[in-house]
Amino acid sequence: DGGITQSPKYLFRKEGQNVTLSCEQNLNHDAMYWYRQDPGQGLRLIYYSQIVNDFQKGDIAEGYSVSREKKESFPLTVTSAQKNPTAFYLCASLQDDHGKLFFGSGTQLSVL
Amino acid sequence: GNSVTQMEGPVTLSEEAFLTINCTYTATGYPSLFWYVQYPGEGLQLLLKATKADDKGSNKGFEATYRKETTSFHLEKGSVQVSDSAVYFCALQMTTDSWGKLQFGAGTQVVVTP
Repeated sequence: DGGITQSPKYLFRKEGQNVTLSCEQNLNHDAMYWYRQDPGQGLRLIYYSQIVNDFQKGDIAEGYSVSREKKESFPLTVTSAQKNPTAFYLCASLQDDHGKLFFGSGTQLSVL
Repeated sequence: GNSVTQMEGPVTLSEEAFLTINCTYTATGYPSLFWYVQYPGEGLQLLLKATKADDKGSNKGFEATYRKETTSFHLEKGSVQVSDSAVYFCALQMTTDSWGKLQFGAGTQVVVTP
């Protein structure tokens, strides 16, 4: 079955550490997105990529970095510069019919 | 800037009750509007959408009508089931942006009891 796989499901970060969240899709979608979800808040866009080897900052990119070396993969690195990283992170890809996003099941990141 | 405002939850209902979740938006221009649903521990799924004024989106018994005059996109279902318990997000997308750049509301938790 086609879909988006995020791993790990739970991740813990120590002070000063960089961590990388994995996102893989087999839907053959060009565009991929990273959103952050905080309790009681809507999702906020971190980064997005519309094509391989290209990506753009979203609304809250500071403290994060991404790469897009393959169409299927869009990993997100939460750097030590992100001072409040505890959140639920959602990866999504876009089906080309005006806004339908397919989401992965998310990664919960917590700080030790 | 563009924004979406949803009614606060949780909304608690008995099975077979009528559900309404209010959503209003602020946007410069004419956005497309969406409702996404998130079941516990999962990512979001598209529930329905409308791309222009007076369009009605519908899916799985849920409906929402794009009202430009009141800048609203309220979600309704006539008879809810326990399986409808979830968090519902209203979102907008500006046609000038990448299609996946959505502005989300804060979400409304719905709890349906037997």
